[in-house]
Amino acid sequence: EAGVAQSPRYKIIEKRQSVAFWCNPISGHATLYWYQQILGQGPKLLIQFQNNGVVDDSQLPKDRFSAERLKGVDSTLKIQPAKLEDSAVYLCASSWGTSGLPEQFFGPGTRLTVL
Amino acid sequence: AQSVSQHNHHVILSEAASLELGCNYSYGGTVNLFWYVQYPGQHLQLLLKYFSGDPLVKGIKGFEAEFIKSKFSFNLRKPSVQWSDTAEYFCAGHTGRRALTFGSGTRLQVQP
Repeated sequence: EAGVAQSPRYKIIEKRQSVAFWCNPISGHATLYWYQQILGQGPKLLIQFQNNGVVDDSQLPKDRFSAERLKGVDSTLKIQPAKLEDSAVYLCASSWGTSGLPEQFFGPGTRLTVL
Repeated sequence: AQSVSQHNHHVILSEAASLELGCNYSYGGTVNLFWYVQYPGQHLQLLLKYFSGDPLVKGIKGFEAEFIKSKFSFNLRKPSVQWSDTAEYFCAGHTGRRALTFGSGTRLQVQP
């Protein structure tokens, strides 16, 4: 079974530039999550999708971050403009749903460095 | 507010030593708890999870965790660690449909 795919794996940009990350969840998984993991901390949820609808984006800094999952499959997360404090690993995860207790499967992450 | 805390940030053990990593949670109502592991250069993967029922949960690779409601704890244990257990371990929890809330992680280093 193919896992959660993310690209790019690494990205270095200067502050005020824009960047986009892509995630392809496991086939058939309805729920998709984007987490931000700053060095030395645990992952923190940015946004959760159920199919192509947003379930929770309460911790997404909407002045600079945006995410979409137009067809309910793959998703993109964008940062515009980037700040130094955005340096982190951005993790995508997916699960088959949210009822019951579905396991979340994580991708390898995109490591972003903002200079 | 929902939170998960891990007090051990870095643990160093020799092979065959016993392991216990602490995790405390702060949730109202029913809580679901997890332990994830991240081996060097690899993805986060699930070690074990607690929904309800038997408070002693067994996971992969000989790990287990005990849910103690009165102490708001969900500590991870392994009787004898191996060098290959060197990794970062994250406790996490959620209620209902919300996504996971993670602790800050514990870096385990097992010396041969």
